[in-house]
Amino acid sequence: DGGITQSPKYLFRKEGQNVTLSCEQNLNHDAMYWYRQDPGQGLRLIYYSQIVNDFQKGDIAEGYSVSREKKESFPLTVTSAQKNPTAFYLCASSLGGTSSYEQYFGPGTRLTVT
Amino acid sequence: AQSVAQPEDQVNVAEGNPLTVKCTYSVSGNPYLFWYVQYPNRGLQFLLKYITGDNLVKGSYGFEAEFNKSQTSFHLKKPSALVSDSALYFCAVRSGDSSYKLIFGSGTRLLVRP
Repeated sequence: DGGITQSPKYLFRKEGQNVTLSCEQNLNHDAMYWYRQDPGQGLRLIYYSQIVNDFQKGDIAEGYSVSREKKESFPLTVTSAQKNPTAFYLCASSLGGTSSYEQYFGPGTRLTVT
Repeated sequence: AQSVAQPEDQVNVAEGNPLTVKCTYSVSGNPYLFWYVQYPNRGLQFLLKYITGDNLVKGSYGFEAEFNKSQTSFHLKKPSALVSDSALYFCAVRSGDSSYKLIFGSGTRLLVRP
């Protein structure tokens, strides 16, 4: 988990509220990613960013939004449009480029919406 | 399209015995393959990767993986399992497009009994 911080570890929200999950990295990585993990399933990519001020939708972007104003930060907003927001959210980063650099993950944020 | 399959939801092994966690893949072009481990309520930790070269790749915590091109497999192995190896293991393959996305398998839970 070193080098990537996610806060808070646990987050509780009422249905209909937007919520923003924080992700910060001090690894000087160019690329950053957000994944969602549900019980019994693998990781599904929500958004990713290969460079500052640019990001792309992943496989399940509906109901989510991101920004990448700084290299170190890639916050994720879970909007009220997301039908099933309760999940474990993981942020990751990598060196990017065309080489096959591994991704490094933060400790995750568990979001519960009631 | 790139894909990864982990055919076993759970693998049970006695401490001290060898362990194998299976992974098969489907890619166009050269495969870039990864193994990660996840402990409860934690982020994923990188174990090892195959890019090119020797088919037997050594990684962290005594784990290794064998790349088999003809069988399109990348099985994770360890000669002698520890109780502390009990965790959730993910195989991943890098997307074949210009992004750096990783495509993850559904995960295999390893249970090492004393």
